Amino acid sequence: DQQVKQNSPSLSVQEGRISILNCDYTNSMFDYFLWYKKYPAEGPTFLISISSIKDKNEDGRFTVFLNKSAKHLSLHIVPSQPGDSAVYFCAVNTGGFKTIFGAGTRLFVKA
Amino acid sequence: DVKVTQSSRYLVKRTGEKVFLECVQDMDHENMFWYRQDPGLGLRLIYFSYDVKMKEKGDIPEGYSVSREKKERFSLILESASTNQTSMYLCASSTTRQGSNQPQHFGDGTRLSIL
Repeated sequence: DQQVKQNSPSLSVQEGRISILNCDYTNSMFDYFLWYKKYPAEGPTFLISISSIKDKNEDGRFTVFLNKSAKHLSLHIVPSQPGDSAVYFCAVNTGGFKTIFGAGTRLFVKA
Repeated sequence: DVKVTQSSRYLVKRTGEKVFLECVQDMDHENMFWYRQDPGLGLRLIYFSYDVKMKEKGDIPEGYSVSREKKERFSLILESASTNQTSMYLCASSTTRQGSNQPQHFGDGTRLSIL
């Protein structure tokens, strides 16, 4: 049973518009959430994170929102650029060194 | 900057072979991980290690073993390769020296095909 779900396998957005990637989790005890970005033929790289004591964290064009009551987080990219085209993984640190990853969402940003 | 190096980008092996995947990190990280990535399934943890000679099973350890004889090196071993182990394998490392929620740093992956 997947504890971290990314229900959209892919998303296509026009350059300059907002990209919104969504993620749901099942365990209300999870307290630290991360987003990773992966280009083809490369390993994932850390993008942004958020602790459960916050509901928003912003880093340049990237903002992560956390809705604890809904057990939902989202990544907003504004404005989207063609170089943002990649697979985005939502992840949860469970403590005890383990991280659980979602299945990923492939973002296409069209020029 | 952290560098995680996986010894091979592409590897082709035959069923029944013993396969070794090597990973080295250069940042003195305590924790190292092996994942496999399959379409629609994301990254699934095979094994991890939080110290030299220590290892813990992840979510899908069957058919795999690991070795961590030195802090910088973490090896994944397929004892007798099977076709369902064809996958992308990713190694990662992390530290808890700056707190418990540090992100993982990944290598570029090894695409392994078992024929």
